[in-house]
Amino acid sequence: SQQGEEDPQALSIQEGENATMNCSYKTSINNLQWYRQNSGRGLVHLILIRSNEREKHSGRLRVTLDTSKKSSSLLITASRAADTASYFCATAYNDMRFGAGTRLTVKP
Amino acid sequence: NAGVTQTPKFRVLKTGQSMTLLCAQDMNHEYMYWYRQDPGMGLRLIHYSVGEGTTAKGEVPDGYNVSRLKKQNFLLGLESAAPSQTSVYFCASSYGGGFENTEAFFGQGTRLTVV
Repeated sequence: SQQGEEDPQALSIQEGENATMNCSYKTSINNLQWYRQNSGRGLVHLILIRSNEREKHSGRLRVTLDTSKKSSSLLITASRAADTASYFCATAYNDMRFGAGTRLTVKP
Repeated sequence: NAGVTQTPKFRVLKTGQSMTLLCAQDMNHEYMYWYRQDPGMGLRLIHYSVGEGTTAKGEVPDGYNVSRLKKQNFLLGLESAAPSQTSVYFCASSYGGGFENTEAFFGQGTRLTVV
């Protein structure tokens, strides 16, 4: 079974709104990463948060990590139509495993 | 600087045929990974390597073999292809792994169809 599970599976919002995606995982991690995938393309790294960190920011992205609840969230503020993509969390320990992803649609 | 390159990009195989997918990276990364992506399933780890000459099993290793004879190359082999192996295959590499895990760089994928 996959290590990470994203919620929701799909999210549709209007341009300018914020988008929040959640990731839950099952076992120990060294870090948790978020990736973006445009349709049919390879994944692109967005942000990495280490197990001893609780929050991290990068531009319009904010990631939180709660190791006691084994969960993380990705917030994209002031979303744009170009943010339309699938977003995946990946947990890293000895290897790196991904969840099923959240499909985000931002309507102009 | 090409990053991670996968060869081929598309392939159609008949059931029972064999093939090898090649992944090449020019970033001197230690860790390399092979994933498959099926609709609604996200990426599932097939095999990975923590350095030249090493390989390890991931979540779904059955039916696949891998080799890492050179640091820059990671080969994924299908000895006897089955329709269940129809998928998009992604290769990735990262500088570190384990506790020193760093961001991974992905290839553009290989779309494999087994008929």
